[in-house]
Amino acid sequence: AQTVTQSQPEMSVQEAETVTLSCTYDTSESDYYLFWYKQPPSRQMILVIRQEAYKQQNATENRFSVNFQKAAKSFSLKISDSQLGDAAMYFCAYRSPPHTGTASKLTFGTGTRLQVTL
Amino acid sequence: GAGVSQTPSNKVTEKGKYVELRCDPISGHTALYWYRQSLGQGPEFLIYFQGTGAADDSGLPNDRFFAVRPEGSVSTLKIQRTERGDSAVYLCASTVQGPLNTGELFFGEGSRLTVL
Repeated sequence: AQTVTQSQPEMSVQEAETVTLSCTYDTSESDYYLFWYKQPPSRQMILVIRQEAYKQQNATENRFSVNFQKAAKSFSLKISDSQLGDAAMYFCAYRSPPHTGTASKLTFGTGTRLQVTL
Repeated sequence: GAGVSQTPSNKVTEKGKYVELRCDPISGHTALYWYRQSLGQGPEFLIYFQGTGAADDSGLPNDRFFAVRPEGSVSTLKIQRTERGDSAVYLCASTVQGPLNTGELFFGEGSRLTVL
């Protein structure tokens, strides 16, 4: 079974600064998806960024980028130019490719609470 | 609808009562998931539907929990003889299968269940 580990329960960053959230995972599969989801107080999980394991290039979405190290099974999220609206819980998640037909669920880490200060 | 809709948003019940939580997925999404999120934790998988059938119910904690999706759209999570330990946010998510699938799940805002 796949596992996802987030070792930072809380992180703090000043507005306009950069912060990196860590995530490691364990799997025996060679192809899979990795995600970072943001959960504000509204409770709705919002997709921040997605990485497909077969792609070597790190995904980037505006101020959000990842450092994907497949051999090390590491998937960290970098937030640049942090904004007050970035404050939330951030969850790293793993998913087997849908075409496998099995284990199509997302497996989440325990989350990192990000605080953004002035 | 435009997004995944869950009702009720909040539910308070007494220990031993029966509870139903409803999820209306994004129109056209054939896959539907239920997750449970306890305070301070990440979401934990409960059950996954592909169409009307439960493709994977390995996350249901015991036989007090049951979910249905009779017409392949709306799903109901049913909890019998509720216990205080069932208190959590129950999240529903949906996704499209096939070539349009990008891997991500689309989530609703959850139903917060409090068992007194």
